[in-house]
Amino acid sequence: SQKIEQNSEALNIQEGKTATLTCNYTNYSPAYLQWYRQDPGRGPVFLLLIRENEKEKRKERLKVTFDTTLKQSLFHITASQPADSATYLCALSGKTGANNLFFGTGTRLTVIP
Amino acid sequence: GAVVSQHPSRVICKSGTSVKIECRSLDFQATTMFWYRQFPKQSLMLMATSNEGSKATYEQGVEKDKFLINHASLTLSTLTVTSAHPEDSSFYICSARRLAGGPDEQFFGPGTRLTVL
Repeated sequence: SQKIEQNSEALNIQEGKTATLTCNYTNYSPAYLQWYRQDPGRGPVFLLLIRENEKEKRKERLKVTFDTTLKQSLFHITASQPADSATYLCALSGKTGANNLFFGTGTRLTVIP
Repeated sequence: GAVVSQHPSRVICKSGTSVKIECRSLDFQATTMFWYRQFPKQSLMLMATSNEGSKATYEQGVEKDKFLINHASLTLSTLTVTSAHPEDSSFYICSARRLAGGPDEQFFGPGTRLTVL
């Protein structure tokens, strides 16, 4: 079965620096990879989606890369702020019509002022 | 747009009782709704997928007679945990896929914290 790993359970960085989170997967060939933010006691909030034929996608201070050869996605937050502190989840899915989203274990990011 | 609500947000019940959780898409129609469970410090695990007007599809290891799902309309799905036990205590999250949405983009509810005493 598919396995999705996010590089570390927790990551601490200084405010203003770039946070880089990693998502690695095995036994799966996703058509889409998504990143979500989850705050304690809340549901995930969608951030970005990248398709298998896309290498990079950006949205404001967020950047996602997708390397299907390495089976890896990197999620970057530039100019990080304390308000970015949360758990970030990557999720994989197949072609449209395949409903399931498979979630990674999450990385808890703390941005230190 | 694309707001999903859940009710209740928290529930505490005695062992052996049943609990119903509602999931509503407030401003869009959802072809499909999903139910996830999340234990502390773990990721979301899909329990079941429900399509309006048809039976839910359960993931392996999830008892369909224990976790009853009803998807009566394009905006409402309910999850009933029957004869709840302490090991059912968890954070239950629903999500909805928009009728004319993009590929597998799901909108998540705020979650329901269930505690079984």
